[in-house]
Amino acid sequence: GENVEQHPSTLSVQEGDSAVIKCTYSDSASNYFPWYKQELGKRPQLIIDIRSNVGEKKDQRIAVTLNKTAKHFSLHITETQPEDSAVYFCAASMDNYQLIWGAGTKLIIKP
Amino acid sequence: NAGVTQTPKFQVLKTGQSMTLQCAQDMNHEYMSWYRQDPGMGLRLIHYSVGAGITDQGEVPNGYNVSRSTTEDFPLRLLSAAPSQTSVYFCASRSFNREHGYTFGSGTRLTVV
Repeated sequence: GENVEQHPSTLSVQEGDSAVIKCTYSDSASNYFPWYKQELGKRPQLIIDIRSNVGEKKDQRIAVTLNKTAKHFSLHITETQPEDSAVYFCAASMDNYQLIWGAGTKLIIKP
Repeated sequence: NAGVTQTPKFQVLKTGQSMTLQCAQDMNHEYMSWYRQDPGMGLRLIHYSVGAGITDQGEVPNGYNVSRSTTEDFPLRLLSAAPSQTSVYFCASRSFNREHGYTFGSGTRLTVV
């Protein structure tokens, strides 16, 4: 079955710098890749997603890139701010409804 | 449009007690699921449903039952609570049109003593 690996488990960046979180997936049939942000004590919330027919998608300071050949996708956050501090989860789906989740990355923004 | 509503928000149970966590969505989503999240951990799928009358097991189904009699409701039953079931439980739903990802409920923090 599908397996999603996420790195790093913890990422600490200076406020204003960029942050990159990477995920790899195992099944080439996966075609939907969302990213969720979970603030402390809150529910996970979808922040951006990408489908396999697109290589990159941007939404203000966040972007996701997808390399189907290498089977990896990445979340990019530019000009990081204190409110970006959270746990970020990647996931993959094979055009069904099940999401296979990464283990999460704790992003720490240092003032 | 309330989204996904979970009740209760907090619950303390004694070992051996049973209870039902409620989940309701008003978005006419066909897919509904239950996850548990332990401290510092990711999301583990307990049970899911692709429509009324259809349920299936996820990664960690033991000790839990579900039913889906309507599109809106997907309750999770703990049959005989154990301390290992202390966790935060999230309900999530998704539409078949797949234009959007999962919508999560606000979670139920369960402690079994």
